[in-house]
Amino acid sequence: DTEVTQTPKHLVMGMTNKKSLKCEQHMGHRAMYWYKQKAKKPPELMFVYSYEKLSINESVPSRFSPECPNSSLLNLHLHALQPEDSALYLCASSQDQGYTEAFFGQGTRLTVV
Amino acid sequence: QKEVEQNSGPLSVPEGAIASLNCTYSDRGSQSFFWYRQYSGKSPELIMFIYSNGDKEDGRFTAQLNKASQYVSLLIRDSQPSDSATYLCAVKEENNFNKFYFGSGTKLNVKP
Repeated sequence: DTEVTQTPKHLVMGMTNKKSLKCEQHMGHRAMYWYKQKAKKPPELMFVYSYEKLSINESVPSRFSPECPNSSLLNLHLHALQPEDSALYLCASSQDQGYTEAFFGQGTRLTVV
Repeated sequence: QKEVEQNSGPLSVPEGAIASLNCTYSDRGSQSFFWYRQYSGKSPELIMFIYSNGDKEDGRFTAQLNKASQYVSLLIRDSQPSDSATYLCAVKEENNFNKFYFGSGTKLNVKP
């Protein structure tokens, strides 16, 4: 099983709303990632968690707040977003060590109005 | 800043032909290389990974790695219209196993 599950698949939110994106994997992976992807651009790394600790924050604005409650779950809390934050948000996971690939969830299509 | 370069395309090939996709990377210490396929509006799907110099074959796909020249390529034999997608090359950072760098992707069109 190489499945990473993201919910919701689509989300429309206003600039004053608070919402959360959720990601779950049961492959025993200890590294989990959030990527943001705009149309016709490659995925852009936002955050990496390793063993449930935040190991990489790519200078992401504080209106995005990640959380890793346990080794299988990853959340991205959203607050006071801007229309330019509209994008496909991808979760991925991989083994923490060595030459291992990352598997992506199906993504959440976020629209900020 | 580590870089992964790909020709954005589109690369157009006729059905049944071999499609050749190329990628160069700047970090000479990189050890792990990945090819992902992404259909429009969908998430990236892993096709192949390669760690050692030379060729690695999986069905219609062959990944080729040349660390001395810092390039990795993907060959798709007997291309099908269903192969039409954007192909992303990804490199894993040597000193930080958890960081993947993506190229901008090459759009492949396979014409029936």
